[in-house]
Amino acid sequence: AQSVTQPDIHITVSEGASLELRCNYSYGATPYLFWYVQSPGQGLQLLLKYFSGDTLVQGIKGFEAEFKRSQSSFNLRKPSVHWSDAAEYFCAVGPGNTDKLIFGTGTRLQVFP
Amino acid sequence: DARVTQTPRDKVTEMGQEVTMRCQPILGHNTVFWYRQTMMQGLELLAYFRNRAPLDDSGMPKDRFSAEMPDATLATLKIQPSEPRDSAVYFCASGSGQGADTQYFGPGTRLTVL
Repeated sequence: AQSVTQPDIHITVSEGASLELRCNYSYGATPYLFWYVQSPGQGLQLLLKYFSGDTLVQGIKGFEAEFKRSQSSFNLRKPSVHWSDAAEYFCAVGPGNTDKLIFGTGTRLQVFP
Repeated sequence: DARVTQTPRDKVTEMGQEVTMRCQPILGHNTVFWYRQTMMQGLELLAYFRNRAPLDDSGMPKDRFSAEMPDATLATLKIQPSEPRDSAVYFCASGSGQGADTQYFGPGTRLTVL
């Protein structure tokens, strides 16, 4: 069955520190992969997506993610976190032949000044 | 800046009452999704439509929930009768209908059933 795992429920980093949020997926073929961010009281906003091609994907707000087929992972990274990055981050996988996305349970990011 | 809009943003109601949530997808998008978000279950897909026709509503409790698209600019999610366990944030999202493409989310309706 298709699934998405975000092993870290809550991460705390200092402003200016680097960040990596983990995402592992289970799917038979190469999936379509997404990272969304949800600020408090808001809907989800797309950060970046991977469909094919270059496995290092650049997104908005200085985020990037790397698709590693051998590890079934699509980890999100940012070299220097800003206080405004505090939010909840969701990884999602889509099989590509339908519109349905499967979302992970989310990782809540807290940023200390 | 095209956005998905949802009304109401907040709804408090009593158990047994009917609740209707509305969504206006981004103009030109032909796929609309309804999600429910709770602390316990996370983000769940309830139903989705393409070109106003339901494609999948397997995530939706059939006995009390119904979803429709009266026209291309309006999607509705109704709960009748509502129960306290329906308390959640309900999100609408729209997409261009090209496979697993980007979904654009609305701000959500926070429903509290007392």
